[in-house]
Amino acid sequence: GQSLEQPSEVTAVEGAIVQINCTYQTSGFYGLSWYQQHDGGAPTFLSYNALDGLEETGRFSSFLSRSDSYGYLLLQELQMKDSASYFCAANTDKLIFGTGTRLQVFP
Amino acid sequence: DVKVTQSSRYLVKRTGEKVFLECVQDMDHENMFWYRQDPGLGLRLIYFSYDVKMKEKGDIPEGYSVSREKKERFSLILESASTNQTSMYLCASSPTNRGDYEQYFGPGTRLTVT
Repeated sequence: GQSLEQPSEVTAVEGAIVQINCTYQTSGFYGLSWYQQHDGGAPTFLSYNALDGLEETGRFSSFLSRSDSYGYLLLQELQMKDSASYFCAANTDKLIFGTGTRLQVFP
Repeated sequence: DVKVTQSSRYLVKRTGEKVFLECVQDMDHENMFWYRQDPGLGLRLIYFSYDVKMKEKGDIPEGYSVSREKKERFSLILESASTNQTSMYLCASSPTNRGDYEQYFGPGTRLTVT
């Protein structure tokens, strides 16, 4: 079957760095996306990796290793507003989502 | 800005009722999707559509059907609502379904079936 695994919950303090890992098992894989969802809100796109390596967008970076079927989202200089759920998703002919990681940022 | 709208934010229906959830996007996207989201299970794909009058089953299509008569509108139908269909329903659209694409989500409809 096709699946993505990520930790269910991560906690950190303001100003810290946190890494959310994602391992995947899919076919027809084009790349790995990350989405953020605040409580009560809609998922919103954060990043996409098609090639191996690190993509940086401001405080957020995303990494992909195709050979290891692994990626991660790195959040730096954490802020309280970063408290949300984060989903990795495999881009195939449809998006296959992981079950999400709930990030709680404490002051 | 891409806008995806859903007909209701909250909906309460009775077991056995026929339920229509409507989704409209304003960016001329080819692809539209319906998901349900439940705690601990992430987003699960119910149905998707690549074109008008075209539909494909997702991972959990049982108990649902869809309709896409116009490009901008994608409807999810619960033929006979059951309590296990109580969930958050999210609609999404994207301009393509190959390679680098972003899905744009609507605000969701929280459906309660009593």
